[in-house]
Amino acid sequence: GAGVSQSPSNKVTEKGKDVELRCDPISGHTALYWYRQSLGQGLEFLIYFQGNSAPDKSGLPSDRFSAERTGGSVSTLTIQRTQQEDSAVYLCASSLGTGVNTGELFFGEGSRLTVL
Amino acid sequence: SQQGEEDPQALSIQEGENATMNCSYKTSINNLQWYRQNSGRGLVHLILIRSNEREKHSGRLRVTLDTSKKSSSLLITASRAADTASYFCATAGAQKLVFGQGTRLTINP
Repeated sequence: GAGVSQSPSNKVTEKGKDVELRCDPISGHTALYWYRQSLGQGLEFLIYFQGNSAPDKSGLPSDRFSAERTGGSVSTLTIQRTQQEDSAVYLCASSLGTGVNTGELFFGEGSRLTVL
Repeated sequence: SQQGEEDPQALSIQEGENATMNCSYKTSINNLQWYRQNSGRGLVHLILIRSNEREKHSGRLRVTLDTSKKSSSLLITASRAADTASYFCATAGAQKLVFGQGTRLTINP
């Protein structure tokens, strides 16, 4: 696609339910990031995929959060047993460069999650 | 943990004035990037400055980097109402890109 695509754009769920957020990166981009942004706040790093290497999961806030990237392309962020504090905008980004060559990140428009 | 810290957190100026935002970071970096975010939207890349560069220009944007002080500044000259947005610095270390808390810039017409 022309850019990074995220779905759904908005998700309202009840506390305790599981949610899946999807990210379609730009074709050919080897690096994929997930960030979380609470209202009026900065970006909190969640997880980073780089090619076929093991992902950097150091930012995941709890074991309720997991993510996978299938075939080096589409990624899914899963939040199990959602809590109200999980409410935020979840942003996905991809880039060509990795490691010392980390260059420009291309962001999707985000998935806004509201947990009631 | 966050790497970059922007200063100020919020800035309000008149159209036509220059806006300066600062970013400080803690560890060594390969490059530093600035991004812009309009309300409720994704982030857009503005400019990248490498660790061996001291200054870079792009249109009305000027970025400086002082690795000895671990700080960077973003200058927007001749500001316009459309520049109203949040601006984030992001530091690229060994692997991932880490963002600061951002500066909320408001340009008053």
